[in-house]
Amino acid sequence: DTGVSQNPRHKITKRGQNVTFRCDPISEHNRLYWYRQTLGQGPEFLTYFQNEAQLEKSRLLSDRFSAERPKGSFSTLEIQRTEQGDSAMYLCASSIGGLNEKLFFGSGTQLSVL
Amino acid sequence: GDSVTQMEGPVTLSEEAFLTINCTYTATGYPSLFWYVQYPGEGLQLLLKATKADDKGSNKGFEATYRKETTSFHLEKGSVQVSDSAVYFCALSDVYSGGGADGLTFGKGTHLIIQP
Repeated sequence: DTGVSQNPRHKITKRGQNVTFRCDPISEHNRLYWYRQTLGQGPEFLTYFQNEAQLEKSRLLSDRFSAERPKGSFSTLEIQRTEQGDSAMYLCASSIGGLNEKLFFGSGTQLSVL
Repeated sequence: GDSVTQMEGPVTLSEEAFLTINCTYTATGYPSLFWYVQYPGEGLQLLLKATKADDKGSNKGFEATYRKETTSFHLEKGSVQVSDSAVYFCALSDVYSGGGADGLTFGKGTHLIIQP
């Protein structure tokens, strides 16, 4: 069990650029979640996958955000035309089974939009 | 919608002191309740959970009891250690709320500092 891995750890970009983050969940976990966390706040749910199917998206996930999980393994989160308000820590988590099961979180990708 | 309210930090205690971190919630359905902890430089980890009223979750000397009548899930520990210094998040899942988002709702977190 190597844990949930997220890359990169830090990303600095200019406003208007596109960025992509990657999450590698624990290998046997069928559920994968993306959260966003800003300073002084708790994580906010963005979206989740069960295997390769994206089952739910929060209203926080604007049209500029897209997430994929091809083949039900790793996942990518892309933000197009970044805005300064997108600056945050993006967290990935995975689990086996339903929502009441333990979530395993990665260390996150810190995005700074200049 | 669902929400979680935690006491604001930082909370600073001396080693071996008694700890209480308050957490109250608002939910439309029958939520499960969680405490997650984030140690410096690490990802969030599940500390304990309770899935129905009057259940008590416990782990590593920490306890929390699901109180439906007061909509609370306060975290307690009888004797804290320096290694307990971390940020603690209260959270709920309310899959029956009909709100659509099948994810955890977190509080803002409470930063706990234990001094030797």
